[in-house]
Amino acid sequence: DIQMTQSPSTLSASVGDRVTITCRASQSINSWLAWYQQKPGKAPNLLIYDASSLESGVPSRFSGSGSGTEFTLTISSLQPDDFATYYCQQYNIYYTFGQGTKLEIK
Amino acid sequence: QLQLQESGPGLVKPSETLSLTCTVSGGSISSSNYYWGWMSQPPGKGPEWIGFTHHSGTTYYNPSLISRVTISVDTSKNQVSLRLTSVTAADTAVYYCVRRPVGPHEPFDYWGQGTLVTVSS
Repeated sequence: DIQMTQSPSTLSASVGDRVTITCRASQSINSWLAWYQQKPGKAPNLLIYDASSLESGVPSRFSGSGSGTEFTLTISSLQPDDFATYYCQQYNIYYTFGQGTKLEIK
Repeated sequence: QLQLQESGPGLVKPSETLSLTCTVSGGSISSSNYYWGWMSQPPGKGPEWIGFTHHSGTTYYNPSLISRVTISVDTSKNQVSLRLTSVTAADTAVYYCVRRPVGPHEPFDYWGQGTLVTVSS
């Protein structure tokens, strides 16, 4: 099984900050990685696919990069609506998610 | 606007069968372009893939669940169903209906709102 490890588990930041979340795969997944945002009581929402492609309707302040085993999600200028939990997911072999990064207001 | 709506019992007894239905509106489950399936998310944890199916009959299951799970479609009702047998407390989770585009490597681009299923006597 491919394991996905996110860091940090919790991130405290302020509106306007630039933040980066990292996701590492236990083996190469090429660029078959997605990022999802999840708010309490809601379903995950697809933000980024193929490591760096922005899903339609997602604000351009979200960006993704990486390939192989190391990936990052960057939010260029945090907005109040961005405080949520973020998950990475590999879809190279079956599907596995990271444990999540909770983005909190500082 | 595509909508996926899960329905089914919120409480299932241990060793029994969990059965859920997802009704798709705003799109056709008979589309050749998409798979339809299920995810689970235990409380406080990340999502887990259960499986997905195409109206043609092609189906993929999580290997860890393959002995207990069945996913099927009813094209006449535009529904996809989940059966999970011999449930335990570890199967307590929010269950989501999901859509995945056809292709060798694709994420899940649409999710239903989810339904909580608790396994308890």
